[in-house]
Amino acid sequence: EIVLTQSPGTLSLSPGERATLSCRASQIVSGSYIAWYQQKPGQAPRLLIYGASARATDIPDRFSGSGSGTDFTLTISRLDPEDFAVYYCQLYGSSMSTFGQGTKLEIK
Amino acid sequence: EVQLVQTGGGLIQPGGSLRLSCAVSGFIVSANHMSWVRQAAGKGPEWISIIYSGGETYYADSVRGRFTISRDRSKNMVYLEMNVLRADDTAIYYCARDSRPPVWGKGTTVTVSS
Repeated sequence: EIVLTQSPGTLSLSPGERATLSCRASQIVSGSYIAWYQQKPGQAPRLLIYGASARATDIPDRFSGSGSGTDFTLTISRLDPEDFAVYYCQLYGSSMSTFGQGTKLEIK
Repeated sequence: EVQLVQTGGGLIQPGGSLRLSCAVSGFIVSANHMSWVRQAAGKGPEWISIIYSGGETYYADSVRGRFTISRDRSKNMVYLEMNVLRADDTAIYYCARDSRPPVWGKGTTVTVSS
């Protein structure tokens, strides 16, 4: 079983600041199947990044993904007020699919 | 246009059965890995099942032996048959294409309660 651990659990930042969210896998995984989602209250998760670094359709370029092996990162270069939400990483595409526990990005 | 249209949710008593359907357009179901993911209120998403393009199926421990994933090539659909439902199966269920990029349906709500 692969476990994805996200850190920090909560990140308090101000609009305009840079956010760095981490997702660590318990064993080496293929970055081709790492995705990041944003979720706001009452809404379905929204795909931001897939394949560790490819932006999904209509996602602003302030969102970027990177990483390989066991360590993956979602970076939001300049926080917009609409970016405050919960973020999940996911390993998908196999019987070892799993989600991280989430990082809550809140306004400081 | 890629679309996954889900139907079949609802209120069901504990111990009951329900079948979720996912009608796909814009790509061929049998050429892709397809998964079901669920999310209980206030919790993070949970992967529960996958059917590979080759037809192999796998399940999370929480549903193995009770849930069955399947597909219909002629209808280009994916299904999740859920039996012996429990209160902790209450969640929004999402059908998903597990490829690049992944695509999710809008979700259907399953409530298990007496």
